[in-house]
Amino acid sequence: AQKITQTQPGMFVQEKEAVTLDCTYDTSDPSYGLFWYKQPSSGEMIFLIYQGSYDQQNATEGRYSLNFQKARKSANLVISASQLGDSAMYFCAMREVIQGGGSQGNLIFGKGTKLSVKP
Amino acid sequence: NAGVTQTPKFQVLKTGQSMTLQCAQDMNHNSMYWYRQDPGMGLRLIYYSASEGTTDKGEVPNGYNVSRLNKREFSLRLESAAPSQTSVYFCASSEYDSLNNQPQHFGDGTRLSIL
Repeated sequence: AQKITQTQPGMFVQEKEAVTLDCTYDTSDPSYGLFWYKQPSSGEMIFLIYQGSYDQQNATEGRYSLNFQKARKSANLVISASQLGDSAMYFCAMREVIQGGGSQGNLIFGKGTKLSVKP
Repeated sequence: NAGVTQTPKFQVLKTGQSMTLQCAQDMNHNSMYWYRQDPGMGLRLIYYSASEGTTDKGEVPNGYNVSRLNKREFSLRLESAAPSQTSVYFCASSEYDSLNNQPQHFGDGTRLSIL
């Protein structure tokens, strides 16, 4: 069965520094997608970045980048130049790519990492 | 940009009461989902609807029913609420393509307490 593991329940980072949030996954499927979501204290889920299993390059979106190591089954989120507004829960999620229809490739979430940015 | 709209935002029920959580999306997405979020558990899928007229069970479907009313709306019903169903409920929607790389877009959640 597919599984997502986030081993850091909580992390602190100094404002303006970079931080890496860990995510490892387990799947036997060759095709899958990895997503990161941010959940601020207000509660909404905000999509940050996506990495496909066949993507040759690491995904980047502004200050967010994904350190994708396929052989190690890890997809760590890197936030550069941390800001106070980055304080939030961060969730890693995986979606299977189902060929030929059937399941919609539902998301499987990790338990999240709470990031706190210190001024 | 409304995106995914959930109602209500907060609700308190007594054990045994029933209620329906409403969800509507205006992005013309085919797929819709209901999740619950409990402390320390991340999000878990309750039910999903691949397209209008179809629904399927997710990881934790017991105690819930769903209805895909039309392409825009997907409701979640608790027939007889139990304290174990106290949680934050999220509705999400996404487009589906062959690469399955479209993100799910979430509503703001419904915080439900069962006394």
